[in-house]
Amino acid sequence: NAGVTQTPKFQVLKTGQSMTLQCAQDMNHEYMSWYRQDPGMGLRLIHYSVGAGITDQGEVPNGYNVSRSTTEDFPLRLLSAAPSQTSVYFCASSRDRGKTEAFFGQGTRLTVV
Amino acid sequence: GENVEQHPSTLSVQEGDSAVIKCTYSDSASNYFPWYKQELGKGPQLIIDIRSNVGEKKDQRIAVTLNKTAKHFSLHITETQPEDSAVYFCAATPRTYKYIFGTGTRLKVLA
Repeated sequence: NAGVTQTPKFQVLKTGQSMTLQCAQDMNHEYMSWYRQDPGMGLRLIHYSVGAGITDQGEVPNGYNVSRSTTEDFPLRLLSAAPSQTSVYFCASSRDRGKTEAFFGQGTRLTVV
Repeated sequence: GENVEQHPSTLSVQEGDSAVIKCTYSDSASNYFPWYKQELGKGPQLIIDIRSNVGEKKDQRIAVTLNKTAKHFSLHITETQPEDSAVYFCAATPRTYKYIFGTGTRLKVLA
């Protein structure tokens, strides 16, 4: 039981490049979400999903896309990377939406130059 | 809008002393309040949580108190140890059922 697995752990992108951050969970959780963590700003919700085929925007969705084709996977796509997207990204999953413990991945540290 | 304020942003205590971190939330419909600990280079991990029908919960050296009238809740760590040094986040889940996180408290336990 690996929990929530994120790849890659580190990534450097040039402005304008695109990439996908991968997230997979093996706990059969319906609810998955992506956060970015910036100094002094805590964890801010980017996008979330309440089940396969259902996604919605969070607090800071601009510049990011998501899809949820299976219960296990919830990739985050950066369409055209900008320096403002330099951050640490965390994927999380939980059994229920906002009612129970959220399990976080180890994070992806992204630098856009 | 939905908001969680967390104080202080940094906290230094001597080993063996107590540490208290406070959070205030805006949506009175919030009903679940978890606390997460984040160690360097790792993702946040739940250490304790409390629901709106309970005023206090303890787990060994850690306790959380909730005051629904004042809309604030607090994390109490007693007999602090060096391994308690980390960043701590509070969160609340308002009527939209999304986690709203505080901005974090960096706790340093001085040996």
